[in-house]
Amino acid sequence: NAGVMQNPRHLVRRRGQEARLRCSPMKGHSHVYWYRQLPEEGLKFMVYLQKENIIDESGMPKERFSAEFPKEGPSILRIQQVVRGDSAAYFCASSPPAHTYEQYFGPGTRLTVT
Amino acid sequence: KQEVTQIPAALSVPEGENLVLNCSFTDSAIYNLQWFRQDPGKGLTSLLLIQSSQREQTSGRLNASLDKSSGRSTLYIAASQPGDSATYLCARVPTDSWGKLQFGAGTQVVVTP
Repeated sequence: NAGVMQNPRHLVRRRGQEARLRCSPMKGHSHVYWYRQLPEEGLKFMVYLQKENIIDESGMPKERFSAEFPKEGPSILRIQQVVRGDSAAYFCASSPPAHTYEQYFGPGTRLTVT
Repeated sequence: KQEVTQIPAALSVPEGENLVLNCSFTDSAIYNLQWFRQDPGKGLTSLLLIQSSQREQTSGRLNASLDKSSGRSTLYIAASQPGDSATYLCARVPTDSWGKLQFGAGTQVVVTP
């Protein structure tokens, strides 16, 4: 059973460009979470999704950031018009549809904005 | 507001010593608590999950305890090895937001041969 997959592992974008980060959950997992780890800071929750639904987006910046988890395909975290402050490691996690909500993390995408 | 605190921030021990890592949280209304390790430049590996109804969980050399009333969890690693060198993170899931892990800043552990 493959783990949580994220791609790309490293992404470089110039200011003003768009960044698209992909996450494929573990097989059988229907819950996806996105977290951000800024340099020298801890991991912060961004958004929690189930298939075709956003359950909790309380950690998402109000502008430029969006997330989706379509019926088919990976979850996408999209950052429009990136700025230097968006440079961070973005981690995706997934959990099974069971009551423990144990989360399993992917290797992360390291975004660098130049 | 720091909701999850980990002490110490860094720890260096010689190989063979036991490790004790502390995690405290201000709000005892937790659904579960999860311990992770993170290696430099890598993702997180789940070590142990303790549900709110449990007091401890064990896996090999690892044991984690949970005391909801005092808002504390402790991770014990017996007979440490250089391969245990990593950053250890605890995270709580609040009862009012099951999908949201709230992380501590982590304890950076170095085990010297």
